[in-house]
Amino acid sequence: GAGVSQSPSNKVTEKGKDVELRCDPISGHTALYWYRQSLGQGLEFLIYFQGNSAPDKSGLPSDRFSAERTGGSVSTLTIQRTQQEDSAVYLCASSLNPSYEQYFGPGTRLTVT
Amino acid sequence: EDQVTQSPEALRLQEGESSSLNCSYTVSGLRGLFWYRQDPGKGPEFLFTLYSAGEEKEKERLKATLTKKESFLHITAPKPEDSATYLCAVQDGGATNKLIFGTGTLLAVQP
Repeated sequence: GAGVSQSPSNKVTEKGKDVELRCDPISGHTALYWYRQSLGQGLEFLIYFQGNSAPDKSGLPSDRFSAERTGGSVSTLTIQRTQQEDSAVYLCASSLNPSYEQYFGPGTRLTVT
Repeated sequence: EDQVTQSPEALRLQEGESSSLNCSYTVSGLRGLFWYRQDPGKGPEFLFTLYSAGEEKEKERLKATLTKKESFLHITAPKPEDSATYLCAVQDGGATNKLIFGTGTLLAVQP
């Protein structure tokens, strides 16, 4: 069946511009997560959605980062006024139940020049 | 603070040479320990979940085990296609269910 999809796969943007990253979870998965993977770093948790609500936003690194989820499905991660340190691979994951294994998408590689 | 440490950082094996990867963890209330495989340019691929000490799971040449402080991923008679980064993550008992990842072990299996 279809897995988690993310778009775009690659994004190059200039410092100071806003970017939107999209995640389409596996159908029926109620839990959705965003992580960030920087070169040489482990995956870093950003935000967790259960349905359309976000009980935990504690991993968002600054107020330039925001995310929303609509219809209990697609999620968008927005980064405003991008900085070079935002360059990383942004990964989305979904799970059928919050206690179950998480399935990851292929990621969006963001490069801020 | 919850923490996951993986060792070694990198491992080079000859085809057929069995070995083990280690994942040490400290977490307040372990809900589950997860192993993932990640190929270059791709997202992590789920392998195993372990929930309690003494539990073991197997898949082809891989076997994961769990104690109260660490987990091992045993690779028996590896093949070149087993080359990848292997990630370990713990899920704490909090409301978030987020995964806390180690930095991974980069495995290279030479023919």
